[in-house]
Amino acid sequence: EVQLLESGGGLVQPGGSLRLSCAASGFTFSSYAMSWVRQAPGKGLEWVSAISGSGGSTYYADSVKGRFTISRDNSKNTLYLQMNSLRAEDTAVYYCAKGGVVVVIAIYFDYWGQGTLVTVSS
Amino acid sequence: EIVMTQSPATLSVSPGERATLSCRASQSVSSNLAWYQQKPGQAPRLLIYGASTRATGIPARFSGSGSGTEFTLTISSLQSEDFAVYYCQQYNNWPTWTFGQGTKVEIK
Repeated sequence: EVQLLESGGGLVQPGGSLRLSCAASGFTFSSYAMSWVRQAPGKGLEWVSAISGSGGSTYYADSVKGRFTISRDNSKNTLYLQMNSLRAEDTAVYYCAKGGVVVVIAIYFDYWGQGTLVTVSS
Repeated sequence: EIVMTQSPATLSVSPGERATLSCRASQSVSSNLAWYQQKPGQAPRLLIYGASTRATGIPARFSGSGSGTEFTLTISSLQSEDFAVYYCQQYNNWPTWTFGQGTKVEIK
């Protein structure tokens, strides 16, 4: 059974930093691209960042480029999102999501974690 | 960036009735279109990918159609557990993935 478990969310002041983690199990983690998708309170879904299975290729939404860094540790089956220079508009539930087809990056998301809430406020 | 537009924003339907949700892309996304269902307090769940292929475990009352710029999600006979928000997503124009703003299906 595929499981994705996010952690690391919390309250942070504007300009601060936070690192999110997503522990994966139930599939060959290194074979799949992974993404982070966020949802601001009461709003829709916004893709944030993606990473290839090897970790060699990374992609970012313009809204977070230069501030967020996605990475993965395939030996630990864990995905990360380092978030720096946080702004109030980054407040959201952050979901990690698994790519639906082995190796393919440009694909739908077939499994999602339960999400972790990040609140940026003074 | 491809903009995904869903309509209507809210759909009021009685249990047992048919629901038809629309999603339009600002440029062609071929058949690289997915639909997700999200219930309050829960993560999104994949329903449809490739515009018309049901994901594992999704009931046959859910069907998807369309290609290019116009797509439809149909729920043939709404069950109580189907009242939720539905999002479309394109994955053709990567490396950006874009979602529609969602359609809320509520009980009439």
